[in-house]
Amino acid sequence: GQNIDQPTEMTATEGAIVQINCTYQTSGFNGLFWYQQHAGEAPTFLSYNVLDGLEEKGRFSSFLSRSKGYSYLLLKELQMKDSASYLCAVRDSNYQLIWGAGTKLIIKP
Amino acid sequence: EAGVAQSPRYKIIEKRQSVAFWCNPISGHATLYWYQQILGQGPKLLIQFQNNGVVDDSQLPKDRFSAERLKGVDSTLKIQPAKLEDSAVYLCASSRSGKRNEQFFGPGTRLTVL
Repeated sequence: GQNIDQPTEMTATEGAIVQINCTYQTSGFNGLFWYQQHAGEAPTFLSYNVLDGLEEKGRFSSFLSRSKGYSYLLLKELQMKDSASYLCAVRDSNYQLIWGAGTKLIIKP
Repeated sequence: EAGVAQSPRYKIIEKRQSVAFWCNPISGHATLYWYQQILGQGPKLLIQFQNNGVVDDSQLPKDRFSAERLKGVDSTLKIQPAKLEDSAVYLCASSRSGKRNEQFFGPGTRLTVL
């Protein structure tokens, strides 16, 4: 079967750095996405990785290792507005997105 | 550009009633998705359209759920009859064709079945 694993919940302090991990087992691989979802709102696109390595976009970076079936999202200089759920999704060999359950990130002052 | 539009935003019905949701994707986006998201879970794909054809409806409970995308633009998702376990947020998303094609989501419809 296809599976995406993420921690259910993480807590971090304002101004700090947090890393949210995602491991996956899917039928094929055609890219990995990270989405941010604030409570009661729709998911919004954060990043896309299809090759191994680090993609940096401002305070957010995303890393991919295809051989390990592993990705992480790194958030720097955390702000209170970063409190949200972070969803990892993998596109399989049929170009269908397989979604993780999301990691709820709580930022404390 | 305008985002994905959905209506209604909230709906409360009793079990065994029917309900319909509407979605208008971003202009020019050929692919449209309907997702069900239960609280604390990731989105679950119900159906995917490419223009007005169905690409994937393997997880759509076809005995009670139906969807259409006439003319390849707007789409409606219907539930008839509703069950308690259908209480969820129904998200519509659209994307361009192409390899990256990140999905853009609408605000969702929160359905409560009593």
